[in-house]
Amino acid sequence: DAGVIQSPRHEVTEMGQEVTLRCKPISGHDYLFWYRQTMMRGLELLIYFNNNVPIDDSGMPEDRFSAKMPNASFSTLKIQPSEPRDSAVYFCASSINRGGGEKLFFGSGTQLSVL
Amino acid sequence: QKEVEQDPGPLSVPEGAIVSLNCTYSNSAFQYFMWYRQYSRKGPELLMYTYSSGNKEDGRFTAQVDKSSKYISLFIRDSQPSDSATYLCASANQAGTALIFGKGTTLSVSS
Repeated sequence: DAGVIQSPRHEVTEMGQEVTLRCKPISGHDYLFWYRQTMMRGLELLIYFNNNVPIDDSGMPEDRFSAKMPNASFSTLKIQPSEPRDSAVYFCASSINRGGGEKLFFGSGTQLSVL
Repeated sequence: QKEVEQDPGPLSVPEGAIVSLNCTYSNSAFQYFMWYRQYSRKGPELLMYTYSSGNKEDGRFTAQVDKSSKYISLFIRDSQPSDSATYLCASANQAGTALIFGKGTTLSVSS
């Protein structure tokens, strides 16, 4: 298996532009997570899905952020409009429910820079 | 206060040293405790997993959880330059919930 695949690897955009990050989880995994990592705040949970349904989006910073999972093999995280404070590494991770302590498999991340 | 607190370091040690990495957590309901290792420009990878209190050993790595003091530890024996990475502790309270991560401690092992 190729693991969790994220695209793009790097994204540089200007303030006010729309940004879309993409994720393909590992086949057969029923959980998908979006995390954001910065030096100041570490790795923060934004939102997670179970069987394509959003379970907890309390970590989404504000209405500018939205996430979708239209099917089991694809998810997007959209920021509109983007701001410089959104600059961070965004990770997607997936896991399979085995009754607790599930191992998360992370993608390589998307380095987002908003100028 | 974050639910999982971790000293970001950095921590620098010579090759062969014993390393101790620590976290504290505030949520008494946490039952699952993990350590992830993250190399530069990569995603985190699971290193150690512990359920409830106790110790778990895997080669040069030992994970320890003390639920009475809400303290999580990772010990690395005979540290190697290849152990240079950021180590993140993480906790969850039940199956099907998301992991909450500490900020990570950056470790550098010099040869």
